[in-house]
Amino acid sequence: AQSVTQPDIHITVSEGASLELRCNYSYGATPYLFWYVQSPGQGLQLLLKYFSGDTLVQGIKGFEAEFKRSQSSFNLRKPSVHWSDAAEYFCAVGEPQGGYQKVTFGTGTKLQVIP
Amino acid sequence: DTGVSQNPRHKITKRGQNVTFRCDPISEHNRLYWYRQTLGQGPEFLTYFQNEAQLEKSRLLSDRFSAERPKGSFSTLEIQRTEQGDSAMYLCASRELAGGPPTQYFGPGTRLTVL
Repeated sequence: AQSVTQPDIHITVSEGASLELRCNYSYGATPYLFWYVQSPGQGLQLLLKYFSGDTLVQGIKGFEAEFKRSQSSFNLRKPSVHWSDAAEYFCAVGEPQGGYQKVTFGTGTKLQVIP
Repeated sequence: DTGVSQNPRHKITKRGQNVTFRCDPISEHNRLYWYRQTLGQGPEFLTYFQNEAQLEKSRLLSDRFSAERPKGSFSTLEIQRTEQGDSAMYLCASRELAGGPPTQYFGPGTRLTVL
């Protein structure tokens, strides 16, 4: 069964600093990969997704993520964090085949931005 | 495109009462998903519909839970005889049926508190 690990429960960065959120997945083949962001009390907003092709994916709000097959990773990065980026970030993996094309979420990384 | 909407946004109920939530997906999205998210966790899959057919249910969906999508448009999720353990955020997502990666678009969620 597919699984997603986000090893960092909570990360604090200074505004303007760079950010990297880690995500590792377990799946037998190349899955679909997603990053979502959730502000307190809100639903999930899609930041970016990877399906195939270029392993460096650009998303909204200046985020990017890189798929590394050898490491089974899909880490999210941003070169300069803004205070408005404070939120919880979820990595998710989707099965390329199958019935309902299940998407499994990690437990999330909560980002705190300090001035 | 008005996005996925959910009502109510918040629901407080007493243990043993029944509650019903509604989800309106993005128009023309054939697939509709329900997830439950508890504090500190990522969303967990509950069930999904393709048009009006409920095609998959998670083991998390006990017999007190029932979901419908009678005309293949909006969906309802009902919880009977609520328990304190049902307190969570209930998220709805939708996507197009057309072939391709399973990009799901989420609503804002319904926060349920069972007293």
